[in-house]
Amino acid sequence: DAKTTQPNSMESNEEEPVHLPCNHSTISGTDYIHWYRQLPSQGPEYVIHGLTSNVNNRMASLAIAEDRKSSTLILHRATLRDAAVYYCILRATNQAGTALIFGKGTTLSVSS
Amino acid sequence: EPEVTQTPSHQVTQMGQEVILRCVPISNHLYFYWYRQILGQKVEFLVSFYNNEISEKSEIFDDQFSVERPDGSNFTLKIRSTKLEDSAMYFCASSGGTSGSTQYFGPGTRLLVL
Repeated sequence: DAKTTQPNSMESNEEEPVHLPCNHSTISGTDYIHWYRQLPSQGPEYVIHGLTSNVNNRMASLAIAEDRKSSTLILHRATLRDAAVYYCILRATNQAGTALIFGKGTTLSVSS
Repeated sequence: EPEVTQTPSHQVTQMGQEVILRCVPISNHLYFYWYRQILGQKVEFLVSFYNNEISEKSEIFDDQFSVERPDGSNFTLKIRSTKLEDSAMYFCASSGGTSGSTQYFGPGTRLLVL
C-alpha cells in the first residue's frame, strides 16, 4: 500500500470544525482512501472512504484533491468524543479481505 | 447495531504458557482478522482468514501463532508459548457481507505476559 503522511497531532475546540490533512503523493489511480479512528482504549473504528469524489456520511466528510495527492477529513462540529487518533490509509483494492496497514496517525485533542 | 465481541478483556499469563484469545465476528461477515497493538505503538496486522484458511499473514505471525474458526461463530487466536514481547492489545476484526471492505473491530484483549 502507498505511503501516507499525516501531522502527529492537532488541537481543536468543541463545536468547531476540524480539518485533518493527509498527503499521499504516490497514490495510484486505483487506490482507495480510507479513514479510521481509534478512541482511547478502544479498537479502531471506520470513519469514511472514497476514491475520487468527495464523500459525506453521518460521521464526517472526505474532501479529495483533484490530483488525489492529498485528502482532508472534515469533522463539521468537533465534540469531546471525537478526541482520538485518526488514521489515513490507502488500500489498493476496495475488496474485503485485505489487511489494513496503520501508520502513526494524527492525535486529535478537543477542548471544551 | 451488530458488533464484534472479544473475550477475555484482560489476560495475564506466565511466559511460556499457551493462551487462546476469542472473538465473535459479526454474523454475516466472511473475512476475519487479528491485529495487535503494543503499548504506545502502531496497530499491526497479524493475519486474515477466509473460507477456513489463512489468506494473508504478516512477518509477526510466526509458528507460535495459529488461528481457527472452531464453529460457526467463534474465531480464535492461539499463542503457543508466550513471550514477554507478546504483551499487547489484540484486536479482532471482521468484514464482508453488506459492509464490503469496511473492517469492524472488537474492543480488544489486553494480554500481559509476565
